[in-house]
Amino acid sequence: SQTIHQWPATLVQPVGSPLSLECTVEGTSNPNLYWYRQAAGRGLQLLFYSVGIGQISSEVPQNLSASRPQDRQFILSSKKLLLSDSGFYLCAWSYGRAYEQYFGPGTRLTVT
Amino acid sequence: KNEVEQSPQNLTAQEGEFITINCSYSVGISALHWLQQHPGGGIVSLFMLSSGKKKHGRLIATINIQEKHSSLHITASHPRDSAVYICAVGTGNQFYFGTGTSLTVIP
Repeated sequence: SQTIHQWPATLVQPVGSPLSLECTVEGTSNPNLYWYRQAAGRGLQLLFYSVGIGQISSEVPQNLSASRPQDRQFILSSKKLLLSDSGFYLCAWSYGRAYEQYFGPGTRLTVT
Repeated sequence: KNEVEQSPQNLTAQEGEFITINCSYSVGISALHWLQQHPGGGIVSLFMLSSGKKKHGRLIATINIQEKHSSLHITASHPRDSAVYICAVGTGNQFYFGTGTSLTVIP
């Protein structure tokens, strides 16, 4: 069966510090991968999606970047965090854009 | 105007009540998703549908493509159904999300 892992579960970082969140999927190959953010009191926002290794599409301009160094690994990064980067970050995977998405447990990021 | 609108924003029900959550969207879609987010933050996909109706246990989801409207129904609601229910639509390379409906079911 397929599983999706995210770490860390919670993170408190100072403004200006770098960020690296990792997401890995097991039990499937060549999945579509997604990074979402949910700011406090707001809905989910799609940040990045990837259909294959090294293929990253960004939905909104921001302070963040994503990379997919391996088929089942998706990394969300920032060189310098802003207060506005605080939120709940979710990774998800699917077999394709028109398929059901499966979400990871999420990382709660607080930028202080 | 948001591409996806949900109503109500908040809903409190007595255990056993029939619950309906509505979702309207303004874009052409390839599929509509209903998601459930528990207080800890974890999200579970409940349904993905592009036409008609789907049923899973006490949950029923319907979609009317012509009216650009979907409903999520919960029959015989239970306190464990308390969660935020999110409607999302996929169109081409875009995903749009509603802000969610917070449901509390009181014993």
